[in-house]
Amino acid sequence: DQQVKQNSPSLSVQEGRISILNCDYTNSMFDYFLWYKKYPAEGPTFLISISSIKDKNEDGRFTVFLNKSAKHLSLHIVPSQPGDSAVYFCAASEGSNYQLIWGAGTKLIIKP
Amino acid sequence: GAGVSQSPSNKVTEKGKDVELRCDPISGHTALYWYRQSLGQGLEFLIYFQGNSAPDKSGLPSDRFSAERTGGSVSTLTIQRTQQEDSAVYLCASSRGHRSYNEQFFGPGTRLTVL
Repeated sequence: DQQVKQNSPSLSVQEGRISILNCDYTNSMFDYFLWYKKYPAEGPTFLISISSIKDKNEDGRFTVFLNKSAKHLSLHIVPSQPGDSAVYFCAASEGSNYQLIWGAGTKLIIKP
Repeated sequence: GAGVSQSPSNKVTEKGKDVELRCDPISGHTALYWYRQSLGQGLEFLIYFQGNSAPDKSGLPSDRFSAERTGGSVSTLTIQRTQQEDSAVYLCASSRGHRSYNEQFFGPGTRLTVL
C-alpha cells in the first residue's frame, strides 16, 4: 500500500522550459512534505519543503504547490537547467514525525 | 569531509553470508536513520537512532537485520544469512533533530548484491 505515489518514472524536458514533477498521497494526516534530489552514486539531498498550512513555497527556481483537497503536490522548476537532471523524490510525514514516507522517484532528464 | 560517509560503497556477497555496513554521521547530529532502496522503489525506512533513546526498529524487515550505534556516533547495520531479496542500496542519513523538518543529510549509500 503506497501512501506516497510518483506515477511518472521519468520525465524529459527541454532546457529553459518548465519541469513539473507530480506526487500524490493517500494519508490525509500527512502535514509536511519534502522534495529531495538524487544524483547517481550520491545520497539524496534536500531541495524544498512545504507545510500543510501553506499551499505554495518558493525557493529560487523551485516552487512546490500543495493541493490538500486533491492530496496532490507538485514541484515546478523554472527555467530547467542541465544540472537539474536527477531523480526527484517526494516524501511526507505526519505530525512532524521523524518517519518520512517516500515516493519511488521521478527521473528528470533536461535536454540541451 | 563534513558529510555523512558510508562504507563499503559496494558489497557483493554470497547468499547465506553475513554483512556489515558502516555509517559515519555528521558530527553533532543526534539523529541517525537507515533506509533501503530497492530497484524502482522509494526509500524504505529501516531503523532510527536518537541520542541515547531506544532505537525505533519498526522498519527492520526481519530478525536477520540489526543495527547499533556506538557512542552516539558511528552506526553499523548487520544483515545475517543474507538472501537475494536483500540486494539493494542501503542509505544512511543523519540530522540535528528528530522532527521531519530537520533536514536529513544522506551518505552515498552501500550497494549490496547478494548472489
